[in-house]
Amino acid sequence: NAGVTQTPKFRVLKTGQSMTLLCAQDMNHEYMYWYRQDPGMGLRLIHYSVGEGTTAKGEVPDGYNVSRLKKQNFLLGLESAAPSQTSVYFCASSPLATDTQYFGPGTRLTVL
Amino acid sequence: QQPVQSPQAVILREGEDAVINCSSSKALYSVHWYRQKHGEAPVFLMILLKGGEQKGHDKISASFNEKKQQSSLYLTASQLSYSGTYFCGTERLHDMRFGAGTRLTVKP
Repeated sequence: NAGVTQTPKFRVLKTGQSMTLLCAQDMNHEYMYWYRQDPGMGLRLIHYSVGEGTTAKGEVPDGYNVSRLKKQNFLLGLESAAPSQTSVYFCASSPLATDTQYFGPGTRLTVL
Repeated sequence: QQPVQSPQAVILREGEDAVINCSSSKALYSVHWYRQKHGEAPVFLMILLKGGEQKGHDKISASFNEKKQQSSLYLTASQLSYSGTYFCGTERLHDMRFGAGTRLTVKP
């Protein structure tokens, strides 16, 4: 089992460019999450999904969109990147909301 | 709203004990504890699902006081490998909020 994988691992964007981050899990988990982590801060929930075809907003959803077309994949999109979106992005999955979250290795994104 | 963790940082000598606290202004359904080492992803430690619950493995344990909306993580006889940043996460209706973290440094 690969667990939770994220692609890409690193990315540099210019302001206004768009990109999609891919999260994939092979544990058949229903719940998937996207977080961002800024220096010296905890994880902040961007969006989450409670099952295939569903998405919901978290704490900091502005500037991001998500899709969960397949149960194993959760995509995070930035339509028009801004320097404030420079961060490390973590994806996680869990079988239940009240269960262990398994985190991917993270994507380090820099927006210039 | 994010839970509040205290202290923000703590430095220990190997073998010493530490307590990390986590409190929330809203009712909690579950409390999660994770540890993150520098440059790595957070790793699960334990979950407490109901008030009064206490859990532990090895020398790390936690308690959950539902009425006070607080949880505490106890590290006893600390080891060098315990160094890292500890986060509590509070789950409420699928929405997970993490605290800002407590940086724990264990020195020989």
